[in-house]
Amino acid sequence: GIQVEQSPPDLILQEGANSTLRCNFSDSVNNLQWFHQNPWGQLINLFYIPSGTKQNGRLSATTVATERYSLLYISSSQTTDSGVYFCAVERDRGSTLGRLYFGRGTQLTVWP
Amino acid sequence: DAGVIQSPRHEVTEMGQEVTLRCKPISGHNSLFWYRQTMMRGLELLIYFNNNVPIDDSGMPEDRFSAKMPNASFSTLKIQPSEPRDSAVYFCASSFRDKRYGYTFGSGTRLTVV
Repeated sequence: GIQVEQSPPDLILQEGANSTLRCNFSDSVNNLQWFHQNPWGQLINLFYIPSGTKQNGRLSATTVATERYSLLYISSSQTTDSGVYFCAVERDRGSTLGRLYFGRGTQLTVWP
Repeated sequence: DAGVIQSPRHEVTEMGQEVTLRCKPISGHNSLFWYRQTMMRGLELLIYFNNNVPIDDSGMPEDRFSAKMPNASFSTLKIQPSEPRDSAVYFCASSFRDKRYGYTFGSGTRLTVV
């Protein structure tokens, strides 16, 4: 399988601070997603970003597929950003979607 | 769109009982996935289907686990007999073949086997 490493494993921030989460993967991939697992356990799709840069409000993500890493930026963090952020990658199998390989996540805690 | 719908949200059962988890994928999605999340192992794929056909079930722990997808709008994951080590959160996810949207996960079923 593909190894996915996320850093840092834990991050504690004051509300309003900015942060960068990193995801490294061990092999070429065709697809990459960032998810947020909120304190209620729901997995929310943040970005589908196999390459390039995307922005959604205070969040943005960049994937450099040739160098096998992706970054998730959170600006002006809020307490509602707390939770676990997962990176997941997939190796394409032609016309079908394959399995997602998940990292262990970054546990983010934002204090008021 | 109601998203991926899983039921029940919580299930507590006694060891040895049969457990059935249910999933309704997003309409039009043609791939469906069952994942399990535990503290020890994180998120791991159990099985996935394309066009209702099981493609990869290598993640299914053992014969006590079985999954079916009788039609495009419904899938079940069954554990018989259940054991305490099966306690976990079970997620269902679905996707289009079109890669622009990735995977959408359901809210999960928290299973506790006592």
